Amino acid sequence: GAVVSQHPSRVICKSGTSVKIECRSLDFQATTMFWYRQFPKQSLMLMATSNEGSKATYEQGVEKDKFLINHASLTLSTLTVTSAHPEDSSFYICSARRSSGGFYEQYFGPGTRLTVT
Amino acid sequence: GENVEQHPSTLSVQEGDSAVIKCTYSDSASNYFPWYKQELGKGPQLIIDIRSNVGEKKDQRIAVTLNKTAKHFSLHITETQPEDSAVYFCAASRGRTGANNLFFGTGTRLTVIP
Repeated sequence: GAVVSQHPSRVICKSGTSVKIECRSLDFQATTMFWYRQFPKQSLMLMATSNEGSKATYEQGVEKDKFLINHASLTLSTLTVTSAHPEDSSFYICSARRSSGGFYEQYFGPGTRLTVT
Repeated sequence: GENVEQHPSTLSVQEGDSAVIKCTYSDSASNYFPWYKQELGKGPQLIIDIRSNVGEKKDQRIAVTLNKTAKHFSLHITETQPEDSAVYFCAASRGRTGANNLFFGTGTRLTVIP
C-alpha cells in the first residue's frame, strides 16, 4: 500500500510554455500533498503544501504565480510551471500524507524531470 | 524551526559490512523520524521510521535507534549488499500535529563495494 504516482516522468518544453505535473495517491486518500524540488546531489526543498479544497501554502521564496498548485480531489494534486525558463529545469517530486496510528507518514512519487530549453 | 544534520555525506563499505548513518535534530517537539532511500533518478522511498515512544526499531537488515535526550537518531544497515547503494535521507517532524512538515537531512551517499 501507500503508492504515489507522478506523470509525466520526464518532460522537455520550450522556454515560455507551461507544463503541468500530476501527482496521485493510488491506494489512499490524501488531504495533504507536498511538492518538492531537488537539485543534483542535494536534498529535497519543500516548495509548497497542497491542501484538498483550499489554497496551497507556499514556502518563502517560491513564486505562487509561477508554480500553480491545484488539489482538486483527495487523490490528485497538480503543479503547473507557468512561463517556464531554463532555470526552472529541475527534478520535481510530490509526496502524499497518510494518517497512521495518530501520526502522519509521507510517501513520495517517482519524480518528474523537467528540462526547459 | 527544525534543523536536521546528517553525517557522513558519503560512505563506502565493503559488501557484507555494516553501515551507520547518524542524524541530529534541534526541535525537542519532533516525534516522528522516517528514513528514505533514493536511487538515482527516482523519488525517495520510505524504508523505516521510528516514533518517539520507542528507542529502537528493526526490519530485517535495517534498524533505527532514537535517543530523545540527546536528540539524535541513527540508521543501521547490516550485511550490506550492492543494491543498498543509494542516497539515504533522514527526516524529522512533529508527526502528530497539523503542521507536520518533514525536515530533511542533507543526505548520505552510500556505496557498497562488491
